[in-house]
Amino acid sequence: KQEVTQIPAALSVPEGENLVLNCSFTDSAIYNLQWFRQDPGKGLTSLLLIQSSQREQTSGRLNASLDKSSGRSTLYIAASQPGDSATYLCASVNAGGTSYGKLTFGQGTILTVHP
Amino acid sequence: AAGVIQSPRHLIKEKRETATLKCYPIPRHDTVYWYQQGPGQDPQFLISFYEKMQSDKGSIPDRFSAQQFSDYHSELNMSSLELGDSALYFCASSLGTGIQPQHFGDGTRLSIL
Repeated sequence: KQEVTQIPAALSVPEGENLVLNCSFTDSAIYNLQWFRQDPGKGLTSLLLIQSSQREQTSGRLNASLDKSSGRSTLYIAASQPGDSATYLCASVNAGGTSYGKLTFGQGTILTVHP
Repeated sequence: AAGVIQSPRHLIKEKRETATLKCYPIPRHDTVYWYQQGPGQDPQFLISFYEKMQSDKGSIPDRFSAQQFSDYHSELNMSSLELGDSALYFCASSLGTGIQPQHFGDGTRLSIL
């Protein structure tokens, strides 16, 4: 059974800092890994999706990397802004077996960027 | 661009009542997933449908059932509601399964009194 872990559980940084959020997964047989943002009481906004054959994806100030062999992914946020404050979740889609695309989520990193 | 639509946004029920949550996927998406997110928890997979057939099943109680209709919208039916069913229920849709990203709706917040 896939287990996804995110470190740190919470992070508080001053505006302008570059930061890294970590995600690890126990089963490397994945189709892809997806990073989401969730504001309090709100839905999940997809940020980046990395296919299993890819090493990284970039969108604006966000860069996500994937190392399947070590079971790790990182989300890099450049020049953080107060508006980046949210919970960041990573989730994997496992390949094979009877899984047909369900996401297995980590417990998230709560990010606070203060002015 | 059209997104995943969920209704209602909020629902308040009492114990032992029933509830029906609806999900309208992004146009042309043929796969729907349901997730449950309890307070302070990460989303947990409940059930999914591909081309109107159940494709996968997670930790969904027997009191819950779901289906996907001919127009690809999906409904999650919940009976004999318990206090522990209070949660945010998300629907997500994708084109096909596994490879394509899942796009989430804003969720239905279900509160059981």
